[in-house]
Amino acid sequence: AQSVAQPEDQVNVAEGNPLTVKCTYSVSGNPYLFWYVQYPNRGLQFLLKYITGDNLVKGSYGFEAEFNKSQTSFHLKKPSALVSDSALYFCAVRDKNSNYQLIWGAGTKLIIKP
Amino acid sequence: ETGVTQTPRHLVMGMTNKKSLKCEQHLGHNAMYWYKQSAKKPLELMFVYSLEERVENNSVPSRFSPECPNSSHLFLHLHTLQPEDSALYLCASSQDTYSDHEQYFGPGTRLTVT
Repeated sequence: AQSVAQPEDQVNVAEGNPLTVKCTYSVSGNPYLFWYVQYPNRGLQFLLKYITGDNLVKGSYGFEAEFNKSQTSFHLKKPSALVSDSALYFCAVRDKNSNYQLIWGAGTKLIIKP
Repeated sequence: ETGVTQTPRHLVMGMTNKKSLKCEQHLGHNAMYWYKQSAKKPLELMFVYSLEERVENNSVPSRFSPECPNSSHLFLHLHTLQPEDSALYLCASSQDTYSDHEQYFGPGTRLTVT
């Protein structure tokens, strides 16, 4: 079965430190991979995606993610965390050969402490 | 903002009431979606419309009834709901369903069923 795992319910990082939010996936074919962020009382907002090409993808607000095919991972990273990065982060995957259905992770709450 | 609006933002209804959620997108997209978001769970896809035709109904109970009168508007009609239907209902749109395009989300309607 196709699935997405975000193994950490919550990640705590001090402001200025690097952050990583983990995502691993299981799909039958080649994936499209996405990260979204949700701030309190808001809908989800697109951050970045991997379609093809360079395994390192850069997105909004200084975030980046690295596609690792052998480890079936797509971890979200940022070199220096800001308090304003505190939010809920969702990873989503779609098999390129499938239709519109996105497979979503359960989300990781990121808390950046001053 | 994302170009997707939802009204109302909050709704409290009894189990015998009938209400409707409205979504409008100003992005010229051809696909629209309804999702249910519950705490600490992956997003649940409820319905998908492509060019005003329903292409997915993910085993959603009949007490939820979608309507898509044109490619910019999407409604979710609610009747005789159950307390477990309390959740955040998110509307999203994308350029089309058969692509790698990201989805754009509205802010959601927080629904409480009493």
